[in-house]
Amino acid sequence: SQTIHQWPATLVQPVGSPLSLECTVEGTSNPNLYWYRQAAGRGLQLLFYSVGIGQISSEVPQNLSASRPQDRQFILSSKKLLLSDSGFYLCAWSATGLLGEKLFFGSGTQLSVL
Amino acid sequence: SQQGEEDPQALSIQEGENATMNCSYKTSINNLQWYRQNSGRGLVHLILIRSNEREKHSGRLRVTLDTSKKSSSLLITASRAADTASYFCATYPGAGSYQLTFGKGTKLSVIP
Repeated sequence: SQTIHQWPATLVQPVGSPLSLECTVEGTSNPNLYWYRQAAGRGLQLLFYSVGIGQISSEVPQNLSASRPQDRQFILSSKKLLLSDSGFYLCAWSATGLLGEKLFFGSGTQLSVL
Repeated sequence: SQQGEEDPQALSIQEGENATMNCSYKTSINNLQWYRQNSGRGLVHLILIRSNEREKHSGRLRVTLDTSKKSSSLLITASRAADTASYFCATYPGAGSYQLTFGKGTKLSVIP
């Protein structure tokens, strides 16, 4: 069966520090991978998606970047965090070749930038 | 931009009652999905309904879709305290898009 791992669960970082959040998927090949951000009491905002190794698409301009160094690994990074980067970050995957089908989410990372 | 808008924003009911949540959207869709999120956790997919379907059931869940009104509803029958969570609708436009657009959610509280 497929599983998705996302870590860390919580993170407190000072403004200006770097960020690296990691997500890995097991039990499937060539998944579509996604990074979402959820502000308190809000819906989910799509940040990045990837359909293959090294292929990253950004939905919104921001202080963040994403990379996919391996088929089932997706990394969200920042060189210098801003206060506005605080939020709940969710990694998700969907089956390859199936656009718009259901997403499977990780357990999320609560990021607080102070 | 957000496509789906859930209504109400919050709902509190007694255990055993039915809970109904609504979702309205603005542009045409290929499918509409409902997700559940427990506090501080990731989202879990509940049900997907395609634009050519009008109703779908899964256990105690019933979803309807009215494309002429651009709206959907999620009914949870015989609610349980464990159903307490936030519920989100997400719309998929089709046409090669990769993006599901989520609403802000309905926070459901089921009182034992």
